[in-house]
Formats: sequence, C-alpha cells, structure tokens
Amino acid sequence: DAGVIQSPRHEVTEMGQEVTLRCKPISGHNSLFWYRQTMMRGLELLIYFNNNVPIDDSGMPEDRFSAKMPNASFSTLKIQPSEPRDSAVYFCASSLDRKFYEQYFGPGTRLTVT
Amino acid sequence: KNQVEQSPQSLIILEGKNCTLQCNYTVSPFSNLRWYKQDTGRGPVSLTIMTFSENTKSNGRYTATLDADTKQSSLHITASQLSDSASYICVVVINTGGFKTIFGAGTRLFVKA
Repeated sequence: DAGVIQSPRHEVTEMGQEVTLRCKPISGHNSLFWYRQTMMRGLELLIYFNNNVPIDDSGMPEDRFSAKMPNASFSTLKIQPSEPRDSAVYFCASSLDRKFYEQYFGPGTRLTVT
Repeated sequence: KNQVEQSPQSLIILEGKNCTLQCNYTVSPFSNLRWYKQDTGRGPVSLTIMTFSENTKSNGRYTATLDADTKQSSLHITASQLSDSASYICVVVINTGGFKTIFGAGTRLFVKA
C-alpha cells in the first residue's frame, strides 16, 4: 500500500493567492483528517470526514479555509485568499472507521505564503 | 494551562541510554491515549494506543504506561538509538458524543553518539 498521498509536497505562494492542497487516503479507509502543524501551536485538527461527509470542522480557522471530499479516494483543502500566517505544514491522515484512533499520516505539504 | 502537557520539552541523551517522557492530561471523558513519533520533515507515526483499561503497552523498545486515575502517561525508550531522535507527541482522545483529539506540544529527543 502506498500510504496516504499528499500533493504538492511544497508550495510557495504570494499573499492573496488561492492555495489547494490534495490528499488521497489509504484505500478502504473511510475517515479522513486534515491537520495543520506550526512551531507555535503544534498539531491542530482542522476538519475530519467520515464516509465523505464532514463531521467536525470546528478546527477550521476561518472562512478562508474550506475542505471537500467528493469521493472516498480524494480530498482537498483550499485557502482563499492565503495569508502569511497560514504558513505551516498541512497533514492529511486516514483511518478505518472502526479503529478511529489508528490514524495514518501522509508526508505533509509545507506551505509558505510570502 | 494546556489540556495535554508533555515534559520535558526537549531532551538530549547518549546512544544506548534509556529515557522516559511524560504526558499529563486534564481532559475528559477519556477514550484513549496515543503516542506518536515524528521524524523531522515527516508525518507522525503511531507508536502505541491505550484505552482506559490498559496500564502498559509495548512496541519494541518503546513502552507506554497509563494511569487513568491520575491522568498520567509515560513513554519509556530502552537502549536508545540514533534513529530515535525525533519529536514524541502525546495525544488524548475524548468522547463527548463525538471524538475529539487533543494534542500535546511534544518532546524533542536528541540521541547523541
């Protein structure tokens, strides 16, 4: 199994631009999580999906952030417009529903907004 | 006050030595506690997952303990190796009708030759 796949691995963009991060969960997993990690705040859960439906988006920082999961094998996290304070590493993780806590993380996308 | 506190923030040990990392939490109702290892530039990898009834769980040279009464957990690393250099993150999952994860800030471990 290839594990959780994220793209791009690195993204540098200018303030105000739209950024789209992509994630392919492990085949057969039906829960998907988006996290953000910074030195100041550590790991934070942004949103999680179960069976493609957003269950808890209370961690999404503001309306500039949106996430979608159109099917079981793909999810996106979009930031529009991006700001320098959005600079962070964004991780996607997936798990089997019956083992909610056994999450497998992707390699992350390092986002830099200048 | 952090809901999941880890100590120390960082630690330097010599290769071959043992070490213990601490995690204290205040959140409830408790569902499970996880320890993750995160190498630099990579995503976290699960080491152990412990539920309320489990006191000890091992994964190779890693042994986690849990005292749900005092809300304390520890991760003991035996005979450390250079590859153990990483951040170790304690995560507590609570069940308030839905699952919520609370992350500790992590302990940064450096193993020196």
